[in-house]
Amino acid sequence: DTAVSQTPKYLVTQMGNDKSIKCEQNLGHDTMYWYKQDSKKFLKIMFSYNNKELIINETVPNRFSPKSPDKAHLNLHINSLELGDSAVYFCASRNSRGRSSYNSPLHFGNGTRLTVT
Amino acid sequence: DQQVKQNSPSLSVQEGRISILNCDYTNSMFDYFLWYKKYPAEGPTFLISISSIKDKNEDGRFTVFLNKSAKHLSLHIVPSQPGDSAVYFCAASGAYNTDKLIFGTGTRLQVFP
Repeated sequence: DTAVSQTPKYLVTQMGNDKSIKCEQNLGHDTMYWYKQDSKKFLKIMFSYNNKELIINETVPNRFSPKSPDKAHLNLHINSLELGDSAVYFCASRNSRGRSSYNSPLHFGNGTRLTVT
Repeated sequence: DQQVKQNSPSLSVQEGRISILNCDYTNSMFDYFLWYKKYPAEGPTFLISISSIKDKNEDGRFTVFLNKSAKHLSLHIVPSQPGDSAVYFCAASGAYNTDKLIFGTGTRLQVFP
C-alpha cells in the first residue's frame, strides 16, 4: 500500500520521559511534515523537511527534535515530556517542488495519540 | 490569531439534501484553499481545492465556492450521503509559502437517513 505510516498509534507515558514517533512515506514525496492537533482541535504545523533539510520550524520548544535520515522518513523525538504535550501528532508528506507542486495536497498518516500523565 | 475559521463546529443534514460547510479567512495573502475530510482515528484526506483565480471548483458531488472579497469559502455536498459523515477541515496557504498550510478547527458533519 502506498501511504504515510506512523508508529505507534497510541503512546501513553509519564512526565519527564523521552519518546519517539516514527513516520515513513512510500509516495516518493520530497517534503515531510509534522502537525499537532491539540485538545481544541487546532491542527498546526510544527516542522517541515525537504530532502532531509529543515524548512519550517514553527516556534516549537527545542524539546522536540525532528530527525530525517532520508527523504522517506521523518521521526519526531520529544525530550522531557510535559502534560501539555498531550495531543494527536500527524505526519504528512507532499511534493513541494516542480511544476505540479503548487496543487500537490498533503497526504497524512493516521496520527499518534500521545497521552502524558 | 486564528487566520482560518470554521464557526460551525457541527452540522446535521438529512441524506439526499445539500450540506453546506463554511469557512472564513483573514489573511488576504492566502491564495490557495483546500478542504480535507477526516474520519475518526484516521488522518485527514484531501477532498477538493481551489485557487484564488477561480470562484468555483466542482468534483462530482463536491463543489467549493470562493468569495475573495468576503474572504469566505464554502463546500457544498449534493446529495449528502451517510458516508459523508466526518469532520471537514478548511485550509489555506499563500502563493509564496505553499509549504505552510493553515487549518481551521473543523466542522463535524452528520448525515442521517
